[in-house]
Amino acid sequence: NAGVTQTPKFQVLKTGQSMTLQCAQDMNHEYMSWYRQDPGMGLRLIHYSVGAGITDQGEVPNGYNVSRSTTEDFPLRLLSAAPSQTSVYFCASSSSGWGNQPQHFGDGTRLSIL
Amino acid sequence: DQQVKQNSPSLSVQEGRISILNCDYTNSMFDYFLWYKKYPAEGPTFLISISSIKDKNEDGRFTVFLNKSAKHLSLHIVPSQPGDSAVYFCAASEIQGAQKLVFGQGTRLTINP
Repeated sequence: NAGVTQTPKFQVLKTGQSMTLQCAQDMNHEYMSWYRQDPGMGLRLIHYSVGAGITDQGEVPNGYNVSRSTTEDFPLRLLSAAPSQTSVYFCASSSSGWGNQPQHFGDGTRLSIL
Repeated sequence: DQQVKQNSPSLSVQEGRISILNCDYTNSMFDYFLWYKKYPAEGPTFLISISSIKDKNEDGRFTVFLNKSAKHLSLHIVPSQPGDSAVYFCAASEIQGAQKLVFGQGTRLTINP
């Protein structure tokens, strides 16, 4: 049981390039989220999904797109990379939306934008 | 505006003693509070949670206390062990907001032998 798998683990991009961060979970969780972690700021919510075909914006959505065509996958797209998007990105999933259901996190993607 | 705050960036505790990590919040709509532990190069892992209708929740060496009137919670680790050295994040969610956690900045806990 792999849990939440994120690929790639590391990536370096040039300003203006686009890329997709992959996230897959094998727990049949309906709820999935993307966060970014920056020094001194904890984790901040980028986008989230409550099921296939349903997504919504979080606290810091600008510059990112998401889609949810299957329960298992929730990719995050950077449309035109900027140095301010240098961060560690975490994908998470939970079995329900109830606040007492903890999210399970992947090990992150470390992204550097030059 | 930071809705969840952990004002201590770091904490150093001797092995065997009690570690106390603190967290403050401002949003009265939060119903659940969770603590996550994070090792380097890994994702956060869930540690313990508490509902806003309780003031204490205990799981082995870990106890979380909630003071709703002060909008303050704390995590107690007793006794502290070297493997507890990690970054600890406090997080909060509304009643149906498991997918929308609001995190504090984190506290780096170091347990000294």
